[in-house]
Amino acid sequence: GAVVSQHPSRVICKSGTSVKIECRSLDFQATTMFWYRQFPKKSLMLMATSNEGSKATYEQGVEKDKFLINHASLTLSTLTVTSAHPEDSSFYICSAYSGRAWNEQFFGPGTRLTVL
Amino acid sequence: AQTVTQSQPEMSVQEAETVTLSCTYDTSESNYYLFWYKQPPSRQMILVIRQEAYKQQNATENRFSVNFQKAAKSFSLKISDSQLGDTAMYFCAFMRGTGANSKLTFGKGITLSVRP
Repeated sequence: GAVVSQHPSRVICKSGTSVKIECRSLDFQATTMFWYRQFPKKSLMLMATSNEGSKATYEQGVEKDKFLINHASLTLSTLTVTSAHPEDSSFYICSAYSGRAWNEQFFGPGTRLTVL
Repeated sequence: AQTVTQSQPEMSVQEAETVTLSCTYDTSESNYYLFWYKQPPSRQMILVIRQEAYKQQNATENRFSVNFQKAAKSFSLKISDSQLGDTAMYFCAFMRGTGANSKLTFGKGITLSVRP
């Protein structure tokens, strides 16, 4: 159990377009989801905390208007990269927290975004 | 704010040998949670082991064990009988609380290579 999926696994888009990444908890309800960004060979940087039915809490330095997060249900959170630019190219990872299994966060497989 | 420090960027170990990965952290909290995550080339984050700060007994999971020194704020991971499949990046992580406070703070990570 405790599977988290992300879609798409990789996406290539043109500069100026918007891209939506979905994060789903498949077999549990996630009260809180987190979005991370990771550069090659680097650590995970938390971008925002997403709670179902409320506005996301963004970490300092993360542009709210560029990275739109919606947690519309207990099993789905979405990250939309608006007006993407090449510097937004990165690996985006979500995790889901159920509050059930000993404070464990379950990670999605990640989405590789390339902006041309 | 919490910080997690992994000072060794890379390590190498011979198959079947034992290796220890270092991690220190800084916090003013008295109760918290510590984790080691593995990220293989697939980039899927995998929980290796976890420790609750109030527990004095060191956590163990098969070939993986930790040396948790609360006063020294140290949380090292020992991998016994190293296997080729252990080759990955390893991240030490700190979690302050539960629910919306369950966000993880990661160290920079260490790249572990297991030599045949």
